[in-house]
Amino acid sequence: GNSVTQMEGPVTLSEEAFLTINCTYTATGYPSLFWYVQYPGEGLQLLLKATKADDKGSNKGFEATYRKETTSFHLEKGSVQVSDSAVYFCALSDGGTSYGKLTFGQGTILTVHP
Amino acid sequence: DAGVTQSPTHLIKTRGQQVTLRCSPKSGHDTVSWYQQALGQGPQFIFQYYEEEERQRGNFPDRFSGHQFPNYSSELNVNALLLGDSALYLCASSVGQSRNEAFFGQGTRLTVV
Repeated sequence: GNSVTQMEGPVTLSEEAFLTINCTYTATGYPSLFWYVQYPGEGLQLLLKATKADDKGSNKGFEATYRKETTSFHLEKGSVQVSDSAVYFCALSDGGTSYGKLTFGQGTILTVHP
Repeated sequence: DAGVTQSPTHLIKTRGQQVTLRCSPKSGHDTVSWYQQALGQGPQFIFQYYEEEERQRGNFPDRFSGHQFPNYSSELNVNALLLGDSALYLCASSVGQSRNEAFFGQGTRLTVV
């Protein structure tokens, strides 16, 4: 079946540091890949997505590239802010008969200190 | 646009009881999916409703059931509650059964005591 593995957390950074959160996946077919963010006490918000190999998703300074050869979708940001502190989830949605069903990783807690 | 709305926000139930959670999808969305998020874990897919029918189901027992109404809103029912059912229950809406973006509600925090 499908699965998503994220790097172990939590991650603690100083403001303006570089961020990488690793994500690898296992899926049949050609999945779409997503990063969602969850702020304290809130639901999930879509941060960025990529629907085919070599696509780069980007939003709010975050970016991730769909790497089919390494089955990865690592999240990066060049300079984090305190307001980026949240839980980040990597997810995939397979095609075929599984449209709309998201498979999530376990989440990575990011804390950014001033 | 109100987005995806869920009710109630918080709920406390006793083991063995039954609970109903509600979800109104984002305007223009006709597909509703439910997820269970245990503390410190990623959301787990429960099931998806489209055209008032359950279209996909995750690895959850029959104690978990749902319904979708003609106005696309949805309910999640859980019978014979267990302590392990304590979690954040998230509803997500989208358009059709496609790769379109899913929008999530803020969730219902269920505590079983």
